Amino acid sequence: EAGVTQSPRYAVLQEGQAVSFWCDPISGHDTLYWYQQPRDQGPQLLVYFRDEAVIDNSQLPSDRFSAVRPKGTNSTLKIQSAKQGDTATYLCASSLTGTANSDYTFGSGTRLLVI
Amino acid sequence: GQQVQQSPASLVLQEGENAELQCNFSTSLNSMQWFYQRPGGSLVSLFYNPSGTKHSGRLTSTTVIKERRSSLHISSSQTTDSGTYLCALERQGGRALIFGTGTTVSVSP
Repeated sequence: EAGVTQSPRYAVLQEGQAVSFWCDPISGHDTLYWYQQPRDQGPQLLVYFRDEAVIDNSQLPSDRFSAVRPKGTNSTLKIQSAKQGDTATYLCASSLTGTANSDYTFGSGTRLLVI
Repeated sequence: GQQVQQSPASLVLQEGENAELQCNFSTSLNSMQWFYQRPGGSLVSLFYNPSGTKHSGRLTSTTVIKERRSSLHISSSQTTDSGTYLCALERQGGRALIFGTGTTVSVSP
């Protein structure tokens, strides 16, 4: 079974540029999460979806970040006008509602450097 | 303050030594998970442990909800155990995770 797929693997931007990250979750997983992991820190939730609906985006910097999951499968996270403080690894994960086990699966992440 | 705290921040072991990693939390939880991460690598789930003790090879996870703590024990460490270990709290009412800052383990031969 394929895991969670993310692209691109790396991105290097200058401040002010825009970038999009893409995530393909495990087939059948209804819940999809985006986490931001700064260097030497634990991941921090940005936003998560159940099917196409946003469940929690309270930690998403709404002025520059946006995330969509239009058909309840793949998702895109976009940063408009990137800042150096956005330098981090962006991780996507998926899980299935109603399961009480370790089905929580992370992708390999996109490493973003903003210079 | 931080809802999930891990200790120690880093640990250096000689191959064969045992280690105990701690995770303390300050909010109610649905479950606790432990993940392993290599530098630049993805997170690999080690344990999903809402309470009690679970074993997997040389690893043991114990969660005591009443005391708001979880631990990960590594026995007979090997160089391949080197990496970062992260605990994550799954809050009641949802499956979004709150992570600790991690314990970086370095095992030398």
